[in-house]
Amino acid sequence: KAGVTQTPRYLIKTRGQQVTLSCSPISGHRSVSWYQQTPGQGLQFLFEYFSETQRNKGNFPGRFSGRQFSNSRSEMNVSTLELGDSALYLCASSSGTPQETQYFGPGTRLLVL
Amino acid sequence: ILNVEQSPQSLHVQEGDSTNFTCSFPSSNFYALHWYRWETAKSPEALFVMTLNGDEKKKGRISATLNTKEGYSYLYIKGSQPEDSATYLCAFTGNQFYFGTGTSLTVIP
Repeated sequence: KAGVTQTPRYLIKTRGQQVTLSCSPISGHRSVSWYQQTPGQGLQFLFEYFSETQRNKGNFPGRFSGRQFSNSRSEMNVSTLELGDSALYLCASSSGTPQETQYFGPGTRLLVL
Repeated sequence: ILNVEQSPQSLHVQEGDSTNFTCSFPSSNFYALHWYRWETAKSPEALFVMTLNGDEKKKGRISATLNTKEGYSYLYIKGSQPEDSATYLCAFTGNQFYFGTGTSLTVIP
């Protein structure tokens, strides 16, 4: 089975711009979760989508949004970028139950200048 | 906000040493506890998922135990090797995954 893929892998943007990141889950997985990792911080949960609906949301401002398509692919959008948004963004897919392992993609490294 | 704590934050051991680290989590609304290994420039890789109090899991030289009543899990590495160098993350799942900040392990040859 193909693993979780994320595009792009690297991205440089300037403050005020917006960005869209994409995640393709493992075939058959209906849950996609997004995480942000900054230096010194653990994985901060952004949101989870399950069957095209946002099921859980972390404590991030409304500039961070996402969606999921009928094929389970998910996109994350960050509007009005700030310097502090520079981070590694990981997505993870799973079948959607808490006992099931989440499988991570390689991440998108975003640099905001 | 739910707190998952891992200790120590970092650890340096000599090749061949055995080591262990701790993950502490809330003891209520527990569904599962996950351990991941995250090597530099790679994706986090799942090691174990444990769901029952008293669960013990083993994979080669790595093992883990779970105590849901007191809210902790231990990860043990026996005879550490340089390739074990990584950050080890635990995640508590209630309605979502809550990750700790990880323990960074460096094994010195």
